[in-house]
Amino acid sequence: DTAVSQTPKYLVTQMGNDKSIKCEQNLGHDTMYWYKQDSKKFLKIMFSYNNKELIINETVPNRFSPKSPDKAHLNLHINSLELGDSAVYFCASSLKVLGIQYFGAGTRLSVL
Amino acid sequence: QKEVEQNSGPLSVPEGAIASLNCTYSDRGSQSFFWYRQYSGKSPELIMSIYSNGDKEDGRFTAQLNKASQYVSLLIRDSQPSDSATYLCAGVYNYGQNFVFGPGTRLSVLP
Repeated sequence: DTAVSQTPKYLVTQMGNDKSIKCEQNLGHDTMYWYKQDSKKFLKIMFSYNNKELIINETVPNRFSPKSPDKAHLNLHINSLELGDSAVYFCASSLKVLGIQYFGAGTRLSVL
Repeated sequence: QKEVEQNSGPLSVPEGAIASLNCTYSDRGSQSFFWYRQYSGKSPELIMSIYSNGDKEDGRFTAQLNKASQYVSLLIRDSQPSDSATYLCAGVYNYGQNFVFGPGTRLSVLP
């Protein structure tokens, strides 16, 4: 059983489209995260939720909107996709806030 | 000043040698540090966490933390080709309000 699972694994879309990435964890963790890893492999935190509440909201365009329906799920919706949004997006979870994090396999987003 | 700095490498070591990876950080108030390993095309996976000054050993890996000098290091003994990956240093910053990864050091262990 995969501990942190993301779907889809690959996402290819046109500029201007809206897309969503889903994440689920079965570890019983309270905290979940979204990261973006760009072409230079730099991994940067975007958002974090603790028990469905937003606790970290980095400087990210408001085209990106996270949503946590329950503490086991954290989804990422992106409106009006731009070329610069092309990256690998990782979901992660931890038992406590900013503790040891376990990562999903990543979603490779390509905006054409 | 960047919050977490690492030498991007690549760092090349022969098989069986000790690989030494270093990381410096700017937030003097930081308390928690982590080393993650990321193979090409894969997700980061935790190797070690360290919270107190000194050394912490786990198998072939030793993490070292020096809060006075604001650096964290990772030693890999008896390096194997399978250790070839990018090693990411990360820490909790801004009084526990944020989590920052360094740019990573690419390690290549030569058979």
